[in-house]
Amino acid sequence: AQSVSQHNHHVILSEAASLELGCNYSYGGTVNLFWYVQYPGQHLQLLLKYFSGDPLVKGIKGFEAEFIKSKFSFNLRKPSVQWSDTAEYFCAVNAGTNQAGTALIFGKGTTLSVSS
Amino acid sequence: KAGVTQTPRYLIKTRGQQVTLSCSPISGHRSVSWYQQTPGQGLQFLFEYFSETQRNKGNFPGRFSGRQFSNSRSEMNVSTLELGDSALYLCASSLDWGQGNSPLHFGNGTRLTVT
Repeated sequence: AQSVSQHNHHVILSEAASLELGCNYSYGGTVNLFWYVQYPGQHLQLLLKYFSGDPLVKGIKGFEAEFIKSKFSFNLRKPSVQWSDTAEYFCAVNAGTNQAGTALIFGKGTTLSVSS
Repeated sequence: KAGVTQTPRYLIKTRGQQVTLSCSPISGHRSVSWYQQTPGQGLQFLFEYFSETQRNKGNFPGRFSGRQFSNSRSEMNVSTLELGDSALYLCASSLDWGQGNSPLHFGNGTRLTVT
């Protein structure tokens, strides 16, 4: 069965620090990969996605992620975090087959706390 | 454009009762899926509907069911509620079904508490 593992449960950073959140998945076939973010009191929002092509994808608010197929990883990065990046971050995978639909397997999430 | 709307926002039910949750997708979106979010298990896929047909189902008991109407609105029903069903239930809509490359847009969820 597919699974998604996020290495860090809670990350605490100061403003301007660099961020990298780890995400590994287990699935041998073609995958679609996503990072979603949930700001306090708000709904889940799409941060970025990878379907194919350039393994380095850029999302909103200066976030980027790199897909490394050989490592089954899709780590999220941001060079300099801001206080407003405080949120919970979820990595998700979808089996990119005709019958997969949009069903996502989510990681358990990483809470990011940024102090000003 | 209005986002995904879920009603009600909060529900308190007693064990053994049943409950129906409602979801209105973004206008033009034809796929609706449901997720359960709990502190212990995180976000888990329940089922997905497209063109009024269930296309995928997660690993949940038959007490959890859903349906989609011709206007793409969806409902999910949980019968014979158990304490463990207490959770945030999220609805998400997407433009299409297909190969999973249509991003999901989530609602704010319905918080269900079973006592």
